[in-house]
Amino acid sequence: GQNIDQPTEMTATEGAIVQINCTYQTSGFNGLFWYQQHAGEAPTFLSYNVLDGLEEKGRFSSFLSRSKGYSYLLLKELQMKDSASYLCAPVDSNYQLIWGAGTKLIIKP
Amino acid sequence: DTAVSQTPKYLVTQMGNDKSIKCEQNLGHDTMYWYKQDSKKFLKIMFSYNNKELIINETVPNRFSPKSPDKAHLNLHINSLELGDSAVYFCASSQAIGEPDTQYFGPGTRLTVL
Repeated sequence: GQNIDQPTEMTATEGAIVQINCTYQTSGFNGLFWYQQHAGEAPTFLSYNVLDGLEEKGRFSSFLSRSKGYSYLLLKELQMKDSASYLCAPVDSNYQLIWGAGTKLIIKP
Repeated sequence: DTAVSQTPKYLVTQMGNDKSIKCEQNLGHDTMYWYKQDSKKFLKIMFSYNNKELIINETVPNRFSPKSPDKAHLNLHINSLELGDSAVYFCASSQAIGEPDTQYFGPGTRLTVL
């Protein structure tokens, strides 16, 4: 079957760094998306990884290890506006995104 | 200009009623989707259309019927609404199907069935 595992909730301090992990099992693999979803709003695209390694985009970086079925999202210099849910979504052999329940990130001053 | 728009944003209705949610995208994308996000925050794909043709139809009660008059529009009609249909429904679009394209989401429609 297909399965996504992310922590349900994480708490971090403004200005700090946080890493949100995601492990997955899918039927085939065609890359992995990370989306951000603020409460009451739509998910918005953050990153897409298809090759192993780290992709950096400003304060956000995303890492992928295909052999381990593992990805993480790294957020640096945390700001209060980063309080949101972060959704990990690998793409299966049918090019369908398989969505996890997301990790709710709470930023404290 | 809003890329993916949905109406209405909020919908409160009685059990047994029939309602529709409309979705439009002005991105020129070929593929559109309907998702349901329940209280546990799981995003579940319901339907996917590519150029007005139904591609994905997950296990969804046949009370839910999507309609795509053209590739920029994908509407969702729900018959005989039930309490369990209460959720947020998101429309999304992507450039094409058959490749891992970024999906762009509408603002969501919060449906409450009383």
